[in-house]
Amino acid sequence: AQSVAQPEDQVNVAEGNPLTVKCTYSVSGNPYLFWYVQYPNRGLQFLLKYITGDNLVKGSYGFEAEFNKSQTSFHLKKPSALVSDSALYFCAVRPYYGGSQGNLIFGKGTKLSVKP
Amino acid sequence: NAGVTQTPKFQVLKTGQSMTLQCAQDMNHEYMSWYRQDPGMGLRLIHYSVGAGITDQGEVPNGYNVSRSTTEDFPLRLLSAAPSQTSVYFCASRDGPNTGELFFGEGSRLTVL
Repeated sequence: AQSVAQPEDQVNVAEGNPLTVKCTYSVSGNPYLFWYVQYPNRGLQFLLKYITGDNLVKGSYGFEAEFNKSQTSFHLKKPSALVSDSALYFCAVRPYYGGSQGNLIFGKGTKLSVKP
Repeated sequence: NAGVTQTPKFQVLKTGQSMTLQCAQDMNHEYMSWYRQDPGMGLRLIHYSVGAGITDQGEVPNGYNVSRSTTEDFPLRLLSAAPSQTSVYFCASRDGPNTGELFFGEGSRLTVL
């Protein structure tokens, strides 16, 4: 079965420290990979995506993510966390089905808490 | 530019009642979808549409109906509400290419008593 795993329900980081939110996936073919952020009582907002090319992709608000094909991972990173980064983060994958892409499959989300 | 607009934002229903969650987008996106978000379960796809007149089922379609008569609108109907349908519902749309990201509405919080 196609799936996306975010192994940590919550990540706690001190402001100014680097942060990593982990994501691994199990899908067929060459999937497209996405990260979204959700602030309280809001809809999801797009952060960044990997389609092809350079394994390190940069996105909004200083976030970046590294695609690792051999480890089927797409971890979200930021060099210096801000209190305002505190939110719920979702990894999502669009599988590849014999010439066409499927619908997005979302992980369960990781709550990021950045303390001053 | 309003993006994706969902109404209502909050709704309380009794078991067995029916209702429609409205979703409209003004970006001329062909693809639209409905997700439900439950604690610890992420987002699960209910129904989606790749264009006017075309709909298909997602992962959890039971108890929900959709239609797509125009490009702009994609309503979600609950025919006979059940407590298991208590959730936060999100409508999302994207431009044609599969590489595109989804644009989400602000969500509709539904409670079924």
